[in-house]
Amino acid sequence: DIQMTQSPASLSASLEEIVTITCQASQDIGNWLAWYQQKPGKSPQLLIYGATSLADGVPSRFSGSRSGTQYSLKISRLQVEDIGIYYCLQAYSAPLTFGSGTKLEIK
Amino acid sequence: QVQLKESGPGLVQPSQTLSLTCTVSGFSLTSNSVHWVRQPPGKGLEWMGGIWGDGSTDYNSALKSRLSISRDTSKSQVFLKMNSLQTDDTAIYFCTRWLAYWGQGTLVTVSS
Repeated sequence: DIQMTQSPASLSASLEEIVTITCQASQDIGNWLAWYQQKPGKSPQLLIYGATSLADGVPSRFSGSRSGTQYSLKISRLQVEDIGIYYCLQAYSAPLTFGSGTKLEIK
Repeated sequence: QVQLKESGPGLVQPSQTLSLTCTVSGFSLTSNSVHWVRQPPGKGLEWMGGIWGDGSTDYNSALKSRLSISRDTSKSQVFLKMNSLQTDDTAIYFCTRWLAYWGQGTLVTVSS
């Protein structure tokens, strides 16, 4: 199975700050990487698919990038509504695997 | 518009079988995949398995021996069956189309 190592586990940042979350895949997954945001009591919301494509309705301050088998989610100017838990997902091959999550809080 | 809704028992006894239904609308099961994802209270997301547009299935290696996913295209429903439930199977169970559109989830508690 492909392992997704996500870091950091938690993150506290100030409003308007740039925030970066990373996922390291245990093997090549191409661009088969998605990012999700989950708020308490809600279903996960797709933010990024194909490693770099912004999902419909997602603010442009969110962006995704790839360097080899390392994937990053960047929030360019942190807003209050961005608090939540973020997960990566590899969809390259079954079984699909999620990262362990990053809890983002406002400092 | 695309909608998915999970339904099933909120409480299951240990060692029993869980049966959940995902009723979908706004898309065809024969040209889309539907997956099941679960989340234990306060923990992360776990992909359980999925059924593809052609009807083939894939499962999480850790659950494969006790999990089955099927569908009824005429009723726009996808089913999850998992046997030998234990307390650590307590979770919110989500169904999702292509892992892009998600249902609201249903809480399943395993307890006697």
